[in-house]
Amino acid sequence: RKEVEQDPGPFNVPEGATVAFNCTYSNSASQSFFWYRQDCRKEPKLLMSVYSSGNEDGRFTAQLNRASQYISLLIRDSKLSDSATYLCVVNAPSGNTGKLIFGQGTTLQVKP
Amino acid sequence: DAGVIQSPRHEVTEMGQEVTLRCKPISGHDYLFWYRQTMMRGLELLIYFNNNVPIDDSGMPEDRFSAKMPNASFSTLKIQPSEPRDSAVYFCASNDRGSSTDTQYFGPGTRLTVL
Repeated sequence: RKEVEQDPGPFNVPEGATVAFNCTYSNSASQSFFWYRQDCRKEPKLLMSVYSSGNEDGRFTAQLNRASQYISLLIRDSKLSDSATYLCVVNAPSGNTGKLIFGQGTTLQVKP
Repeated sequence: DAGVIQSPRHEVTEMGQEVTLRCKPISGHDYLFWYRQTMMRGLELLIYFNNNVPIDDSGMPEDRFSAKMPNASFSTLKIQPSEPRDSAVYFCASNDRGSSTDTQYFGPGTRLTVL
């Protein structure tokens, strides 16, 4: 089983749609959770951290369910510029190393 | 403030040649990570350093790969000899654990093609 699993997609949605991505992680001891965004032929960039209480940044909402070891990202009112690959990321909990584990990514294509 | 800097941005070489990739982390960051990304395997951690010391190199694929960090502002990843299956995008990332966050900041990557 992969340490971080995501549906690779692609998710093809029209502008204005709401889309949700899910991710599961295998190590219950993980403490830090993130969503990174990666544009085509670019580097991954932090989109948002994910907090236990859930958090929102504009059109983006991230939620964490520790009991189910599940992370989600909701994008409302999709824009063409949201087209990218979204990487689910958790920390490797052993030894407080700063090491992160990246999922394979979910590709989103927003169409006009 | 400058982000993570990598060079070269693109490298095309022939099988058997030595390849050296370079990285300058964000000033003040004490962790440096080298990743490789391919379509098939996604983003893989190769090695990482803390305060210039290699901590975990378990992701380095084989002895042909080596990495060094001679000082806080410079690291290299070397492949010798290179093979076509090494073709990938190699990213360097850095992190400041003192900021109480695990957020890593990535460089623009080096796109390596081995013919």
